[in-house]
Amino acid sequence: NAGVTQTPKFQVLKTGQSMTLQCAQDMNHEYMSWYRQDPGMGLRLIHYSVGAGITDQGEVPNGYNVSRSTTEDFPLRLLSAAPSQTSVYFCASGSVSRGYTFGSGTRLTVV
Amino acid sequence: GENVEQHPSTLSVQEGDSAVIKCTYSDSASNYFPWYKQELGKRPQLIIDIRSNVGEKKDQRIAVTLNKTAKHFSLHITETQPEDSAVYFCAASRTGANNLFFGTGTRLTVIP
Repeated sequence: NAGVTQTPKFQVLKTGQSMTLQCAQDMNHEYMSWYRQDPGMGLRLIHYSVGAGITDQGEVPNGYNVSRSTTEDFPLRLLSAAPSQTSVYFCASGSVSRGYTFGSGTRLTVV
Repeated sequence: GENVEQHPSTLSVQEGDSAVIKCTYSDSASNYFPWYKQELGKRPQLIIDIRSNVGEKKDQRIAVTLNKTAKHFSLHITETQPEDSAVYFCAASRTGANNLFFGTGTRLTVIP
């Protein structure tokens, strides 16, 4: 039981490049989400999913896309990276009744 | 959506003293309030949570209180130790919605 697995751990992108942050969970959670963490701003919700085939926007969705083709996987895509997307990204899964588990994070720098 | 405010942003205490961190929330439908501890470079780790049918919960040196009427909840750490130094986040969520909304964090420093 690996919990929530995120890859990569670190990434440097040039402005305008695209990339996908991977998130996988093996706990059969229906709910998965992506957060970004910036100094002094806590964790802000980017996108979330309540099950395969269902996604929705969170507080700060601009510049990010998601899809949920399986219960296990919830990738986050940056189509055209901008310096404002430099942040630490966390994936989480769980629920109010079962609690939430976070991945180990991806530290992204856009230059 | 839910708005969670957290105070103070930084807190320094002497080893052995108590620390209190306070949060308020705006959505009266929120019914789940977890607290996370995050050490430098690590993921947030759940340390304690409380649901709205309970007013207080304790786990060894850590306790959380909830006042639903006033829409605020607090984290209490007694007999603080240097290893308690970290950033602490409060959060709120509600059954059915499942989205966690976080406060902006409190950096706790325990001075030996």
